[in-house]
Amino acid sequence: DGGITQSPKYLFRKEGQNVTLSCEQNLNHDAMYWYRQDPGQGLRLIYYSQIVNDFQKGDIAEGYSVSREKKESFPLTVTSAQKNPTAFYLCASSMDDSYNEQFFGPGTRLTVL
Amino acid sequence: DAKTTQPTSMDCAEGRAANLPCNHSTISGNEYVYWYRQIHSQGPQYIIHGLKNNETNEMASLIITEDRKSSTLILPHATLRDTAVYYCIVRVVEAGGTSYGKLTFGQGTILTVHP
Repeated sequence: DGGITQSPKYLFRKEGQNVTLSCEQNLNHDAMYWYRQDPGQGLRLIYYSQIVNDFQKGDIAEGYSVSREKKESFPLTVTSAQKNPTAFYLCASSMDDSYNEQFFGPGTRLTVL
Repeated sequence: DAKTTQPTSMDCAEGRAANLPCNHSTISGNEYVYWYRQIHSQGPQYIIHGLKNNETNEMASLIITEDRKSSTLILPHATLRDTAVYYCIVRVVEAGGTSYGKLTFGQGTILTVHP
């Protein structure tokens, strides 16, 4: 089955700890994205990557970091510098960065205690 | 990307057509209209997109007005599983077809389909 997987679905961390969210796709897509969603709100772009070994900041990159060492993987690290990390995190991919549709993973709900 | 305006919520009876409006009065010539939906606690799902012609696929139809300032997403026979938040997004596509992937999601329309 082709698709995007995110794990885990629910994640709990103590304040001050870094945490890394996993995103894997087997769609052979070049572009990958990370979004954040707060309750009752739309999605906001954190980081995106158009190709392996390259990524750009989105609208709310502060307190987050990413890497893109492999085409199929785009992990997101939520650092202790992120002031309000509790949120629903969504990963997406698309064939390229043009007008092609984005496919989303099921999301990871992060709660920082 | 141009701003979009959607009603906060709408209701629809099961089996009837659901017509979801979107206003994008500041849309420019190189911006496409996209629709996504998000069922509670899941990732968004692409529905359809278009530039100026009406579009139809297995999920829905997209009607764009001639002046492109508004559009309507039509779910022809709504089911209970269509209950979701529907997002209308306009997205720049550059001359070479590149838009750098950014989708700007507003708050969308909460569509509730009832029996």
